[in-house]
Amino acid sequence: DAKTTQPPSMDCAEGRAANLPCNHSTISGNEYVYWYRQIHSQGPQYIIHGLKNNETNEMASLIITEDRKSSTLILPHATLRDTAVYYCIVRGNNDYKLSFGAGTTVTVRA
Amino acid sequence: NAGVTQTPKFQVLKTGQSMTLQCAQDMNHNSMYWYRQDPGMGLRLIYYSASEGTTDKGEVPNGYNVSRLNKREFSLRLESAAPSQTSVYFCASSEWGLPYQPQHFGDGTRLSIL
Repeated sequence: DAKTTQPPSMDCAEGRAANLPCNHSTISGNEYVYWYRQIHSQGPQYIIHGLKNNETNEMASLIITEDRKSSTLILPHATLRDTAVYYCIVRGNNDYKLSFGAGTTVTVRA
Repeated sequence: NAGVTQTPKFQVLKTGQSMTLQCAQDMNHNSMYWYRQDPGMGLRLIYYSASEGTTDKGEVPNGYNVSRLNKREFSLRLESAAPSQTSVYFCASSEWGLPYQPQHFGDGTRLSIL
């Protein structure tokens, strides 16, 4: 059962902000939203996670709606090296595994 | 910063052969995981070890065994390889605690079984 819905692909211009949406309408109160990305031929890379407050780190910002049914990952200044598959994952405190769906293939163009 | 190191990076086996994939982490994490990723699909958990001395099955454990050798190392063994086990295998580690801490991944072992 897919817990998240993401667009299959999106393009972004280099230097511009990339806004990646994710719907998680069935999220429950103790579940976190995690974002990972996978650059071709590499292992997944953790980006950021949050519960209900917006979060920011050196890689990205995570905006979670007040009802927590959707979120947006923001890459503030996309570079060519940000081209990757981005995964939005909902994970509860009892979840040992990360459930990777199909993700969004983001292509950053010069 | 080595992080999570997997060996080998590539391997070709014949059906029925056995093999052990090695994983080591230098982040002093308590928990370690083995996933497989098939073409065009997301990762699926094979086995995990919440802490040294414990291992548990994930979503797709059949055909695999694991050993948590010590806090740093977690190996995955294929006793009798089958073509259906052709995949990319990723090891990951994380700290243990609530909320669950992010998992950090190695760069994978690409395994082909003929």
